[in-house]
Amino acid sequence: EDQVTQSPEALRLQEGESSSLNCSYTVSGLRGLFWYRQDPGKGPEFLFTLYSAGEEKEKERLKATLTKKESFLHITAPKPEDSATYLCAVQANTGNQFYFGTGTSLTVIP
Amino acid sequence: ETGVTQTPRHLVMGMTNKKSLKCEQHLGHNAMYWYKQSAKKPLELMFVYSLEERVENNSVPSRFSPECPNSSHLFLHLHTLQPEDSALYLCASSQEGRSQYFGPGTRLTVL
Repeated sequence: EDQVTQSPEALRLQEGESSSLNCSYTVSGLRGLFWYRQDPGKGPEFLFTLYSAGEEKEKERLKATLTKKESFLHITAPKPEDSATYLCAVQANTGNQFYFGTGTSLTVIP
Repeated sequence: ETGVTQTPRHLVMGMTNKKSLKCEQHLGHNAMYWYKQSAKKPLELMFVYSLEERVENNSVPSRFSPECPNSSHLFLHLHTLQPEDSALYLCASSQEGRSQYFGPGTRLTVL
């Protein structure tokens, strides 16, 4: 069964304190792994797509990496405006369905 | 308008009402989706329309009925809902095999 598990469920960081969020996945043939940011009361905002193990993508203070079993979202020197829920999703090779994790709620304290 | 838009943004309805949610995508994508988002749960895929075919999650109750008249518009028709159907309903679109782009959602409250 295709599934996604994210950890931790919640994370509090001091401004400038770097950390990583984890996304473990089980899928019958990975087409793509996706990271999203979601602010309260809004729809998820696309951040990155990773397609194969070893791939990395960066955007400002965020860096996403991918292995055959998990993905990490590294946050370097976070700022309060990085506070949000970060969602991970995978898409299998067959079909158009995306499988989402429950997200990590990140709070960055000034 | 750009991206994915949804209306209304907020909806309060009684259990006997009938209402519809609307989604429109301006990205030229060929697939559209309805998701339900409840607190502490993963996004729950309800329906997918891709290349004019419909795929549905068999656990979605029949009181939710989708309609996709063309590749840019998607509706979710609601009737005789239950309080547990209160949630954020998200529409998304994608070009097959690529990332989804989400609308802002409709916050639904069923009294």
